[in-house]
Order: sequence, then C-alpha cells, then structure tokens
Amino acid sequence: EPEVTQTPSHQVTQMGQEVILRCVPISNHLYFYWYRQILGQKVEFLVSFYNNEISEKSEIFDDQFSVERPDGSNFTLKIRSTKLEDSAMYFCASRPGYMNTEAFFGQGTRLTVV
Amino acid sequence: EDQVTQSPEALRLQEGESSSLNCSYTVSGLRGLFWYRQDPGKGPEFLFTLYSAGEEKEKERLKATLTKKESFLHITAPKPEDSATYLCAVQAGGATNKLIFGTGTLLAVQP
Repeated sequence: EPEVTQTPSHQVTQMGQEVILRCVPISNHLYFYWYRQILGQKVEFLVSFYNNEISEKSEIFDDQFSVERPDGSNFTLKIRSTKLEDSAMYFCASRPGYMNTEAFFGQGTRLTVV
Repeated sequence: EDQVTQSPEALRLQEGESSSLNCSYTVSGLRGLFWYRQDPGKGPEFLFTLYSAGEEKEKERLKATLTKKESFLHITAPKPEDSATYLCAVQAGGATNKLIFGTGTLLAVQP
C-alpha cells in the first residue's frame, strides 16, 4: 500500500541551526502539506503546496520556514534558525488533488531543539 | 473562527464495552469531516471521511456518523488493540484545503 515516508524519524539540533525535514509523498498525489504537533497539543496546519507553489500557509509559517519540491518526488521543510519552541513532531501529508478527499500522513519527524 | 472540540479527553473501557466519542465543530461551510487514529509517536492514520449530515461510514468495530453540528465515532465491542488517540478534523469551505484538528480522545481498552 502506498505511503508517505519521512526522514529522519528523529532530529536533534542546536538552537539557531538550520534543519531540513524530508518527505516523499504518495506518487501521483498533487497536494502536499506540513503539519506539526507540539507534545500534548493538537495537530496544527503549517503549509500546503500545489503546482510547485505555496497555496496556503498559517501564521506559524513565518520567514524562518520554507518548503521546496526539488525533484518531483521529495518535499522538504526547512527551518532556517531553529528555536526551542520549534521542538515538535512534524508530519508531512499528501492528497490526490480531487475535491473532498482525505490526506494521508507520514509517521513524522520528531525535532528536538536544544 | 473555525473550531473543533472533542470529548471526552480520555476514555477507559473494558474489552467489549461499547461507547461513543464526540466531535463538535463550528466551521464555515463544511467540506468534509475526517476521523483519524493516532498511535503514540506515530502519524495520524486515516479512518473515515463524512461529507454531509446523515451520512454514516463503518469499518470493523467503528462507525462514524455526522450531523450539522457534530460527529460521533461509535466503538462496538472494543478490543485492546483499539487503544489509541482518535482525532477529528474538518475541512472548511471556500479556497482553503487545510485540516483543522481537535485535541483528540485518548481511548484505553482494558482486557
């Protein structure tokens, strides 16, 4: 069964360092997303990506964040200068692109900023 | 403001003891309501999509229903392997395609 894969599963980084979280969405899906979940809190939307550009972003997704689909299969989230409050589980998701269809999530990357 | 509220926050059941989880929502033009299951340290796993009031979906011991204000996830004769956090999410109408999640219900089924 096709699945969304994310790497790494766990990333520890020093405050102020740049991190790149990687995702391989399900093949032939057209919409891609990043969500995050701070420990004990709800899953929060960060950004959606369609047709090689950001289609929507939340207030959380400030200038420190960027997304890219560099090669037609990978989808990356970059945090330029990490802060302690960026520590969370980051989930990538993809959707086929049709109206009213479910999003499929990866297993997540646990980011710990120390 | 679009909002999703789930109750109870936590539920402990004995194996075989049926119950229901609630998801109430306030959203401008519901495009879809989604139920996910999340195991500890894992990503949300899709269970159901509901689109309109009166719709019902079933999968094994789970049945999801939808009204204009809330959705229920009914669990019939649960087993220990049903233990997980159940998340409800909505997609509003208009140009948005993001999901708005509730905080989830942590279900523990004891043998």
